[in-house]
Amino acid sequence: DQQVKQNSPSLSVQEGRISILNCDYTNSMFDYFLWYKKYPAEGPTFLISISSIKDKNEDGRFTVFLNKSAKHLSLHIVPSQPGDSAVYFCAASSTQGGSEKLVFGKGTKLTVNP
Amino acid sequence: GAGVSQSPRYKVAKRGQDVALRCDPISGHVSLFWYQQALGQGPEFLTYFQNEAQLDKSGLPSDRFFAERPEGSVSTLKIQRTQQEDSAVYLCASSSVGGASNQPQHFGDGTRLSIL
Repeated sequence: DQQVKQNSPSLSVQEGRISILNCDYTNSMFDYFLWYKKYPAEGPTFLISISSIKDKNEDGRFTVFLNKSAKHLSLHIVPSQPGDSAVYFCAASSTQGGSEKLVFGKGTKLTVNP
Repeated sequence: GAGVSQSPRYKVAKRGQDVALRCDPISGHVSLFWYQQALGQGPEFLTYFQNEAQLDKSGLPSDRFFAERPEGSVSTLKIQRTQQEDSAVYLCASSSVGGASNQPQHFGDGTRLSIL
């Protein structure tokens, strides 16, 4: 039973355009959500997060949107750059349960074409 | 550097051997996590420490897996009598505070374990 789902294994966009990566979750106890970026042979790098008391968080070119009623979040990258090409993981946790473990999706491979 | 450091980066072992993987978290970070990442999958939680206390080991797949953090800093993940299905990348992460903190976890580059 996959609690965090990234249904698009891959996404290709042109440089300068918007990249939208999507993530769905099933566990209503999740209240903290994160996006990580991963290059080959490196560990995941933290990008941006959002807690369930917000519906939007912005950091430079990166914006995360949270729709709690739909149990859906998305990451927008504007404008996309070739260096953004990587695998993006959505992750979620429940801060109420004692353990801060993250539950990850399977990732979406983003390719930004020059 | 100031990031999470893992060693070795690569480990090859024969089936049945024991292995030990090391993690040096970011200095001062209270929480430490181990994850296992299979090819083409997202990381999956193994275990969690707050200082030296192991608060959650629900993700450890069998009693062959053991983790410790005796002084609340460096951690070791040990796998006994390795099997081929243990082949994966093992990731360590740390975060600055414990509890309901909404603090991101910062990851090391992982140890790629291959069991022959």
